[in-house]
Amino acid sequence: GAGVSQSPRYKVAKRGQDVALRCDPISGHVSLFWYQQALGQGPEFLTYFQNEAQLDKSGLPSDRFFAERPEGSVSTLKIQRTQQEDSAVYLCASSQPKRQGGTEAFFGQGTRLTVV
Amino acid sequence: AQSVTQLDSQVPVFEEAPVELRCNYSSSVSVYLFWYVQYPNQGLQLLLKYLSGSTLVKGINGFEAEFNKSQTSFHLRKPSVHISDTAEYFCAVCPSDSNYQLIWGAGTKLIIKP
Repeated sequence: GAGVSQSPRYKVAKRGQDVALRCDPISGHVSLFWYQQALGQGPEFLTYFQNEAQLDKSGLPSDRFFAERPEGSVSTLKIQRTQQEDSAVYLCASSQPKRQGGTEAFFGQGTRLTVV
Repeated sequence: AQSVTQLDSQVPVFEEAPVELRCNYSSSVSVYLFWYVQYPNQGLQLLLKYLSGSTLVKGINGFEAEFNKSQTSFHLRKPSVHISDTAEYFCAVCPSDSNYQLIWGAGTKLIIKP
């Protein structure tokens, strides 16, 4: 597609429920990122994929968070047993890596997760 | 470790007036610097970036930013704002020893008054 697409745009989950958030990156982009953005804050890094390989998951806040990108394109961020503190906007971005840093990341509109 | 500080959470300014959005960072390694804009109900969009070379960087929509290494700042400026510039602006840095990880400021809401 023309841009990064995320679904659903909005998700309300009851505490304890599992959720799955989907990201369709720009076709051909090797790198894919997930960020969490709490209200009034900047995005916080969660995890990074290069193709299907998850090279960095240091930002995942707990073992309830799991991300995958099995075929190197679409990615899913899964949150198990959601808690109220998981309420945030989850952003996905994709890019083409370059030898020099500073690659432009293209962002989706995000999924706003509200845990009640 | 790196950190980014955007001191102003909101900046109100009259239409056609100049604006400066401040960004300071701290880092033990050299960094690449970015400004992103988020219009209402839209995703983050790159405004401009500094990788190397001239410290004055021009971006889209008439914005520019100046990298000041001694003051560890990367302030964003526009000489004359328009109502369509109403958005949230985020400063971010990428450590030079990482080719992907962005560290973000908390954002500044630019509010244009007619």
